[in-house]
Amino acid sequence: EPEVTQTPSHQVTQMGQEVILRCVPISNHLYFYWYRQILGQKVEFLVSFYNNEISEKSEIFDDQFSVERPDGSNFTLKIRSTKLEDSAMYFCASSPGLAAGGNEQFFGPGTRLTVL
Amino acid sequence: QKEVEQDPGPLSVPEGAIVSLNCTYSNSAFQYFMWYRQYSRKGPELLMYTYSSGNKEDGRFTAQVDKSSKHISLFIRDSQPSDSATYLCASSPFGNEKLTFGTGTRLTIIP
Repeated sequence: EPEVTQTPSHQVTQMGQEVILRCVPISNHLYFYWYRQILGQKVEFLVSFYNNEISEKSEIFDDQFSVERPDGSNFTLKIRSTKLEDSAMYFCASSPGLAAGGNEQFFGPGTRLTVL
Repeated sequence: QKEVEQDPGPLSVPEGAIVSLNCTYSNSAFQYFMWYRQYSRKGPELLMYTYSSGNKEDGRFTAQVDKSSKHISLFIRDSQPSDSATYLCASSPFGNEKLTFGTGTRLTIIP
């Protein structure tokens, strides 16, 4: 069964460094998302992406964050200058879209980001 | 007021029992409702997806939405130790829009 994959599974970085989290959404899905979950807290929406542009972003998704779909398969989240409070699990999700089969969002296994 | 509220538990039930997990929401625009299962330090796994009010059944799982009371439920029949996980409810107003999650209910099934 197709699934969303994410790399790396764990990323440790120093405060102020740039990190890129990578995701391969399910093939032929059209909608892509990033969420994060700080340890012990709820899953929070960061950004959604459709048709090669951001369709919605949350207050968390400030100028330090960016997303890109550099080719037909990858979807990346970049944090330019990491802060201690960016430490969290980051989940990528994808959805086929109603015209292609449904609105369900399927999540990847996550990347645990630790900022020291 | 939180948009989606969920009792965090923990909830412990004996194997074979029927489990009832519940959420309430405040945003009247929510139309899509999902239940995810999340094992420790893993990604949310989609269990059930419903649109608007009504019931949906899939094996041992039944999802129920009552939009008049803004109440979402997940029932698990014949619970198994492998059902032990955190269960997350999530909602969105329109298809493919951001999901708003509850805090999750930690469930333990005791053999």
